[in-house]
Amino acid sequence: GAVVSQHPSRVICKSGTSVKIECRSLDFQATTMFWYRQFPKKSLMLMATSNEGSKATYEQGVEKDKFLINHASLTLSTLTVTSAHPEDSSFYICSARDLGQKNTEAFFGQGTRLTVV
Amino acid sequence: AQKVTQAQTEISVVEKEDVTLDCVYETRDTTYYLFWYKQPPSGELVFLIRRNSFDEQNEISGRYSWNFQKSTSSFNFTITASQVVDSAVYFCALIPGFQKLVFGTGTRLLVSP
Repeated sequence: GAVVSQHPSRVICKSGTSVKIECRSLDFQATTMFWYRQFPKKSLMLMATSNEGSKATYEQGVEKDKFLINHASLTLSTLTVTSAHPEDSSFYICSARDLGQKNTEAFFGQGTRLTVV
Repeated sequence: AQKVTQAQTEISVVEKEDVTLDCVYETRDTTYYLFWYKQPPSGELVFLIRRNSFDEQNEISGRYSWNFQKSTSSFNFTITASQVVDSAVYFCALIPGFQKLVFGTGTRLLVSP
């Protein structure tokens, strides 16, 4: 199946700093990428949908200035957690789907475990 | 409304037992896709199966089988002869139309030796 690569897999940062997470589709063009957040023992919560070349669409309650999403190419989307705080510690996971292919599943990255100290 | 319900929060079984994970979905779209994903302790999401709304055939893949029933809006997942390595959180998900994925809350499966 298609491969989505997410990097880094783990990151520890200090409060107040920013962290960038990358999501790459390795063997297909991802017109749309999705960013999820997962709290311990909880389901995945969609944060935002990013379409290549346009602004991301954020779900209700997600601060767009806090979680900056850039989808500059058909194979790369980035999520930057700005001015991170301990409550931003979580598991972040991206998925990519080529909506030009109607019959396609959403492929997921390996996830990034962010710890803010 | 688009919704996926996994009523079983956690299931514990002993190795070699069969176990069924329930999934009930809601959507008004006539075209939709259903998925099951496995999330082992390491965190990544492993794709298991996709079904579209026009294909009600049940599927078997090794010890895994899926039962899709449109009449009851269910897409249940059965593991036969469970193994310790099956221990994980399993998510059922729905793509209504060609919209975004909607996840269920997940079922944590614990298989003990």
